[in-house]
Amino acid sequence: SAVISQKPSRDICQRGTSLTIQCQVDSQVTMMFWYRQQPGQSLTLIATANQGSEATYESGFVIDKFPISRPNLTFSTLTVSNMSPEDSSIYLCSVQTGGGVNTEAFFGQGTRLTVV
Amino acid sequence: AQKITQTQPGMFVQEKEAVTLDCTYDTSDQSYGLFWYKQPSSGEMIFLIYQGSYDEQNATEGRYSLNFQKARKSANLVISASQLGDSAMYFCAMREGRLAGANNLFFGTGTRLTVIP
Repeated sequence: SAVISQKPSRDICQRGTSLTIQCQVDSQVTMMFWYRQQPGQSLTLIATANQGSEATYESGFVIDKFPISRPNLTFSTLTVSNMSPEDSSIYLCSVQTGGGVNTEAFFGQGTRLTVV
Repeated sequence: AQKITQTQPGMFVQEKEAVTLDCTYDTSDQSYGLFWYKQPSSGEMIFLIYQGSYDEQNATEGRYSLNFQKARKSANLVISASQLGDSAMYFCAMREGRLAGANNLFFGTGTRLTVIP
């Protein structure tokens, strides 16, 4: 299993500013995932963050808007840049401790972001 | 096409009754895994139950069971003896096994369950 500490848990930000979300895991994991959950919607994968390499972004998400760092096997950050009200969402980091299809995904508590 | 479809935006159930939340999936992989997660209003994602594509028996975890019908590509969640604390969003998700490294989950749109006292 894995315990994930994600912070901040919530924030209210002014448009045009940036927010960095941190994700700390209690064990070493190869892959970390960042998801966005817009209000009333499902989870959408933003990117996969592997230690020692560039993050892999999904269609519709770009590095300039959502830069990701992965300095080691237990930590990652996601920055939401130049925010607009459309960025108001819950952002979740997730890890998997194995590579098989049966591997449970563990999630952080989420960051509830409101952009005003 | 959507990989995971949940057709029930909202469901109501009387306390102590059973409820079934529907989930259908779409994949061409032979190996895949199906998951159900619960998301309370606080926002965290809580793992409930897992079913593998090669599992012959339906998965069960306490009050949760998964009605897996492979030919119909459905993986419905059954919650027995509903409790007030079961009120939450429920997401069905799938992981495909075909591509190396493609380990992320695909989520459905969710079903909001409300348990009525």
